Amino acid sequence: SAVISQKPSRDICQRGTSLTIQCQVDSQVTMMFWYRQQPGQSLTLIATANQGSEATYESGFVIDKFPISRPNLTFSTLTVSNMSPEDSSIYLCSVKWGNEKLFFGSGTQLSVL
Amino acid sequence: AQSVTQPDIHITVSEGASLELRCNYSYGATPYLFWYVQSPGQGLQLLLKYFSGDTLVQGIKGFEAEFKRSQSSFNLRKPSVHWSDAAEYFCAVGAVDYKLSFGAGTTVTVRA
Repeated sequence: SAVISQKPSRDICQRGTSLTIQCQVDSQVTMMFWYRQQPGQSLTLIATANQGSEATYESGFVIDKFPISRPNLTFSTLTVSNMSPEDSSIYLCSVKWGNEKLFFGSGTQLSVL
Repeated sequence: AQSVTQPDIHITVSEGASLELRCNYSYGATPYLFWYVQSPGQGLQLLLKYFSGDTLVQGIKGFEAEFKRSQSSFNLRKPSVHWSDAAEYFCAVGAVDYKLSFGAGTTVTVRA
C-alpha cells in the first residue's frame, strides 16, 4: 500500500493565523484529495489537488481560505488561512493508489484558539 | 448527488458475537463503495471496496460486505468480533473521479 506522511500531526494555532499541512506519498499517485473531519462528524471533501494546475474545490470551500499546491505526483500542501475556531478539525489527505484503492494519511489535528 | 446513510450511530456487541453494520447509498449509476475503520487518534484504514463483479467482497481483518443493488445497500459483516474491532466505521460512496461522500459513521463498542 502507499505510505502517506502528513505533517504536522497536530497543532494549536491562534485565531487569524495560517497553517500549512504537508502530505508526502512514497510513490507517484495520480489523484490526491484533501478532506476535513469536524469534531464528532464525518469526512467532507475539500478539494482535489491537481498536479501542475489549480485545485478543484467542492461546494462550500474556496481557494482563498484553503489554498492547495501540488508541485509533483508525490507531494501536496493544504493551507488553512485566517483561521477561526470553526476551522478546528482533523484534516486528512487521501490518494488513489494501485488497484483502485483510496488511502488516507493519519491526519492533522488542528485546534484554533 | 451521491449520499450515504448509516442508520446506526452506535452499536454494542459482545466479543465473539457477529457484527453487521448497515449502509445505504444514493447514486445514479454504478457506485464505487468503500468501508473504512477509524480507531481513536488514528487515520482511516481501508477495510474493503466494491467496484464491480462479485457482490460479496472480502476485506481485511475478517470483514466482508455485500453489495445489493436492489436495496441500495452495502452492509459490512464480521462473524466473530474481537475487542480490537472497537472503532468507528465509515461507509463511503464514490465514482470514477474517486471523490467520496461519507456516511456519518457507526461507533462500535465491544464488551467482554
